[in-house]
Amino acid sequence: AQRVTQPEKLLSVFKGAPVELKCNYSYSGSPELFWYVQYSRQRLQLLLRHISRESIKGFTADLNKGETSFHLKKPFAQEEDSAMYYCALSGSQGAQKLVFGQGTRLTINP
Amino acid sequence: GAVVSQHPSWVICKSGTSVKIECRSLDFQATTMFWYRQFPKQSLMLMATSNEGSKATYEQGVEKDKFLINHASLTLSTLTVTSAHPEDSSFYICSARSRTGGGQPQHFGDGTRLSIL
Repeated sequence: AQRVTQPEKLLSVFKGAPVELKCNYSYSGSPELFWYVQYSRQRLQLLLRHISRESIKGFTADLNKGETSFHLKKPFAQEEDSAMYYCALSGSQGAQKLVFGQGTRLTINP
Repeated sequence: GAVVSQHPSWVICKSGTSVKIECRSLDFQATTMFWYRQFPKQSLMLMATSNEGSKATYEQGVEKDKFLINHASLTLSTLTVTSAHPEDSSFYICSARSRTGGGQPQHFGDGTRLSIL
């Protein structure tokens, strides 16, 4: 079964501090992992995906198959990073539906 | 690019009526669209996968006769909540992807807030 776990519902850090949003997954095959972000009053939008290995808005995420994790990191948080973050997994076969984690609400304090 | 439009954004109706929600991909062809439901302060739960020209695939526990899905073209999928009741009140979100395989991401609509009185 596919499962995504985000252990922290709420995360609060100060501006300029490093931030890490945790994500662990369970999947028997080769998963595709995504981070989606939802800013206040906006739609859910793709932040980054592991196959791209890119950095978006200063965020990076590395897929660790040994630890089955895909943590989202940013070295210096900014106030505009405050949002809801969802980790999601897609299987490599079939319709590739997404399974979402519960989400982490990140608040950056000034 | 990759814009998904969802309409209406908010609807309030009486118990027993049917409500249709539209999901359109504006600048790409969506072979697959997905319908999610989100309760307050909870994550998105997939309801069904809609493939153009074929029947939708429903997730376990989702009533097919209650939530009718039609994906008649590559740019439009509709979700009809039939004989809606207060417990159907929720936030419904659609997403679309341009093709299967290759890790194409899903692009999401703004969602529809449905309130049944």
